[in-house]
Amino acid sequence: TQLLEQSPQFLSIQEGENLTVYCNSSSVFSSLQWYRQEPGEGPVLLVTVVTGGEVKKLKRLTFQFGDARKDSSLHITAAQPGDTGLYLCAGALVAGGFKTIFGAGTRLFVKA
Amino acid sequence: NAGVMQNPRHLVRRRGQEARLRCSPMKGHSHVYWYRQLPEEGLKFMVYLQKENIIDESGMPKERFSAEFPKEGPSILRIQQVVRGDSAAYFCASSFGSSYNEQFFGPGTRLTVL
Repeated sequence: TQLLEQSPQFLSIQEGENLTVYCNSSSVFSSLQWYRQEPGEGPVLLVTVVTGGEVKKLKRLTFQFGDARKDSSLHITAAQPGDTGLYLCAGALVAGGFKTIFGAGTRLFVKA
Repeated sequence: NAGVMQNPRHLVRRRGQEARLRCSPMKGHSHVYWYRQLPEEGLKFMVYLQKENIIDESGMPKERFSAEFPKEGPSILRIQQVVRGDSAAYFCASSFGSSYNEQFFGPGTRLTVL
């Protein structure tokens, strides 16, 4: 059973389109991270959110942590080919001794 | 400030040989995690170590795999008698605090078993 469900699993869009990726769970997290991984490289940390309802912006990327700290979303505005990659969410489980678990990822492909 | 270092980046082994993967955490980090990733898949947790201690090895196969993080030197993931199914990318991450979160990843070691 996947404790952190990411959707969609795969997304192929045209340059300039907007998109949202979701990370959902029935568990509460003390914090949640989003990573981007490019082919042949390790995941790179994009953001950490810790407060329920928190919104963080990183240029064209907007991250939101759910009020109950069980879910998160990543919205990309005007996607560019350079945004192509695997987007992973990871959360530290409150009920699990703050063990971090990873979602399976959303594979994004932005066509020029 | 150097990030997480892993070496080698690529490792080729024949079936039955041993593979040793090294990871040096970020400066100031004393918590190390190993993950395995198959092509087109997500990360699979293997083991979490602090200096000289294994904290959580729930994701580690019971046989042939071992990990250590000695007082001095890098963390080592060791795979004995490799089989073709061990071919994968192995990532190391490190963190500063005593909780598991906000991990910083190395570039990975790509193991190919012939």
